[in-house]
Amino acid sequence: GQSLEQPSEVTAVEGAIVQINCTYQTSGFYGLSWYQQHDGGAPTFLSYNALDGLEETGRFSSFLSRSDSYGYLLLQELQMKDSASYFCAVRVGYSGAGSYQLTFGKGTKLSVIP
Amino acid sequence: EAGVVQSPRYKIIEKKQPVAFWCNPISGHNTLYWYRQNLGQGPELLIRYENEEAVDDSQLPKDRFSAERLKGVDSTLKIQPAELGDSAVYLCASSFSPNSETQYFGPGTRLLVL
Repeated sequence: GQSLEQPSEVTAVEGAIVQINCTYQTSGFYGLSWYQQHDGGAPTFLSYNALDGLEETGRFSSFLSRSDSYGYLLLQELQMKDSASYFCAVRVGYSGAGSYQLTFGKGTKLSVIP
Repeated sequence: EAGVVQSPRYKIIEKKQPVAFWCNPISGHNTLYWYRQNLGQGPELLIRYENEEAVDDSQLPKDRFSAERLKGVDSTLKIQPAELGDSAVYLCASSFSPNSETQYFGPGTRLLVL
């Protein structure tokens, strides 16, 4: 099976930088995804890392270290609208099947305060 | 372009009653997923379709849950009979192919079983 660990809650000030960590244990690992979900809303794709290193998309960056089974999501210049839950998800593949499955963590609730 | 559409958005039923959820994926997306999200948790995969074929239903409680995707487009998820523990948000997602890195989620159906 798979297991993912991420902090349950994080609070940060508007304009600041926050990092949300994710550690995982799984077999058949292909990559790490991050999704954002506002209360009552749909999860929305933010980023995907298949290789070690940092991926930057605007104010958001995501990092992966496959050797450490660790990744993080970095949010810069925090805005009030960034208050949401953030989920890391491991993408695992099945040998020969040519298909993948996402397993989500429990999510980190980010609160941005003025 | 329209996103993933789900209906109803909310449903309240008494235990032992049947309930059905409907999903219309993004046009051209061949892969469709049904997830269940309990309060404070990440989405958990119930079933995945490739066109009209259910290719991964290992997490679907088959004694009371059923799903179909006629003609490989719309999909319906049914619970009969519903139990108190089925109260959750049922999310539908779609992707262009099973190899796609991004899944697009609908807003979900919030089910309350009394």
